[in-house]
Amino acid sequence: IAGITQAPTSQILAAGRRMTLRCTQDMRHNAMYWYRQDLGLGLRLIHYSNTAGTTGKGEVPDGYSVSRANTDDFPLTLASAVPSQTSVYFCASSPDRNEQFFGPGTRLTVL
Amino acid sequence: GENVEQHPSTLSVQEGDSAVIKCTYSDSASNYFPWYKQELGKRPQLIIDIRSNVGEKKDQRIAVTLNKTAKHFSLHITETQPEDSAVYFCAASSGGSNYKLTFGKGTLLTVNP
Repeated sequence: IAGITQAPTSQILAAGRRMTLRCTQDMRHNAMYWYRQDLGLGLRLIHYSNTAGTTGKGEVPDGYSVSRANTDDFPLTLASAVPSQTSVYFCASSPDRNEQFFGPGTRLTVL
Repeated sequence: GENVEQHPSTLSVQEGDSAVIKCTYSDSASNYFPWYKQELGKRPQLIIDIRSNVGEKKDQRIAVTLNKTAKHFSLHITETQPEDSAVYFCAASSGGSNYKLTFGKGTLLTVNP
């Protein structure tokens, strides 16, 4: 059992390129989330999904899109990356209105 | 939406001392308050949580208190050890059907041997 995984572990990306960060969980959790973590700013919610087929915007959604075609996968896409999107990205999942389980993170650098 | 303020941003204590981290929240409908610990280069992990129908919860050296009237909650770590050194985040739930957590900006705790 892997829990929640993310790929890639790290990535260096040229500005203007398209990038998809992958997140997969095998815990059959209904809710999934994407956060970005920047020094001094804590964890900020980008997008979330309460259940397969639904998504919602978080605190900092601009420049990002998500989809939730099934329960297990919740990819995050940067359509045209900009340097301000340099960050550590965490995916999380939750079975209900309780604990969120975090993935190992993806360190993204946009040059 | 919910706003969570966390203080202090950094905290340094001697091994064996106690550490207290405080958070305030704005949404009176919030009813779930978790605390996460994040070691350097690792993912955040839940260490303790409390719901709004409880005023205090303890788990060995860690305790959390909640004051719903004042809309603040605190993390207390007693008999600190060097392995307690990490960044700690508080969070508060957003009410309603769109269940989300709003996190504080974090507290870097350093326990000096």
